[in-house]
Amino acid sequence: GAGVSQSPSNKVTEKGKDVELRCDPISGHTALYWYRQSLGQGLEFLIYFQGNSAPDKSGLPSDRFSAERTGGSVSTLTIQRTQQEDSAVYLCASSSYRVPEAFFGQGTRLTVV
Amino acid sequence: AQSVTQLGSHVSVSEGALVLLRCNYSSSVPPYLFWYVQYPNQGLQLLLKYTSAATLVKGINGFEAEFKKSETSFHLTKPSAHMSDAAEYFCAVSENSGGSNYKLTFGKGTLLTVNP
Repeated sequence: GAGVSQSPSNKVTEKGKDVELRCDPISGHTALYWYRQSLGQGLEFLIYFQGNSAPDKSGLPSDRFSAERTGGSVSTLTIQRTQQEDSAVYLCASSSYRVPEAFFGQGTRLTVV
Repeated sequence: AQSVTQLGSHVSVSEGALVLLRCNYSSSVPPYLFWYVQYPNQGLQLLLKYTSAATLVKGINGFEAEFKKSETSFHLTKPSAHMSDAAEYFCAVSENSGGSNYKLTFGKGTLLTVNP
């Protein structure tokens, strides 16, 4: 079946604008994660969704970052009032319930100019 | 809190030589351990995982890793490097605490170069 799909693959935005990044997990996977990969910080956990449970937002770096997951499937990561330090690759991963092995998408490369 | 240390941000080997990428972890509970590979402009691909079964784990593309609890290590090896192995490799840990949140903590990565 299809893997984790992320869109867009690349996004260039002006400082101060809002952006939305989309993740479509593997069909049937109930767990969804967002990570950020940047030169300075490496790979960092952002947020975790599991079914209808309350998400683990402990990795979100500021209140400009938010995410939602509609219908237990597609997820959108929103960054408001983007800053240059938000430039990074945003990776989405999904896994089956109570399975530690996660599968990653290709990522969205965000550039804030 | 969990953490991962990868010794050597850059490792260079000759084609056909042994590949050894080092990973040490810390975790307050029994860990799950993973090695991922990332090719340029690609996402992360799972190479292998340790989830408390056999301590010697075999993965894809001829890679294997051994979990050593006493040394808190999970080093990645391959007997004979191939040019196609050139990529960045990430070691990661998640906590096996009985829940369903397996968020990963990653090492800084090791860039593997394979010379002809």
